[in-house]
Amino acid sequence: DTAVSQTPKYLVTQMGNDKSIKCEQNLGHDTMYWYKQDSKKFLKIMFSYNNKELIINETVPNRFSPKSPDKAHLNLHINSLELGDSAVYFCASSQNRDQPQHFGDGTRLSIL
Amino acid sequence: QKEVEQNSGPLSVPEGAIASLNCTYSDRGSQSFFWYRQYSGKSPELIMSIYSNGDKEDGRFTAQLNKASQYVSLLIRDSQPSDSATYLCAVIDMDSNYQLIWGAGTKLIIKP
Repeated sequence: DTAVSQTPKYLVTQMGNDKSIKCEQNLGHDTMYWYKQDSKKFLKIMFSYNNKELIINETVPNRFSPKSPDKAHLNLHINSLELGDSAVYFCASSQNRDQPQHFGDGTRLSIL
Repeated sequence: QKEVEQNSGPLSVPEGAIASLNCTYSDRGSQSFFWYRQYSGKSPELIMSIYSNGDKEDGRFTAQLNKASQYVSLLIRDSQPSDSATYLCAVIDMDSNYQLIWGAGTKLIIKP
């Protein structure tokens, strides 16, 4: 069974569209994260939720909005997609905030 | 601005030799340290976590932590071509809701 699963794995879309990425973890973890990894391969934290509460909200455009309907799910909605949004987006989870994080396989977003 | 620094490499090591990867961090109060491995096109995978000064061994991997000198290292014994990947060092920042501060990664190449 996949511990942290993201859908879709690939997302190709045009500028200006709105898209969502879904993430689910079956590890029973309390904390979930969204990261962006661009072409330079640097991992950048975007958001983190602990028990459905937003605890990390880094400087990202407000076109990006996370939603956590329950502890096992953290979705990412992106409005008005721009070329610079092209990247790999990783979801991760951890038992608690100070525990190691476990990553999903990533969603490769390409903006045409 | 808290930082984690790694040599970007590539670090080239002959098969069967010991690969030594190093990481320094700026926050003297840091308590939790992680090494992740990321194959090209894949997600980061947790290899080791270390919290106390000294060595921690797991199979062919040994993590070493020296809090006084603010460095953490990863040794890979009997290096195999399958160890070729980018190795990411990450440190928890307790002052920022326990978010991980990531190094840029060291690319390791094991030559047969």
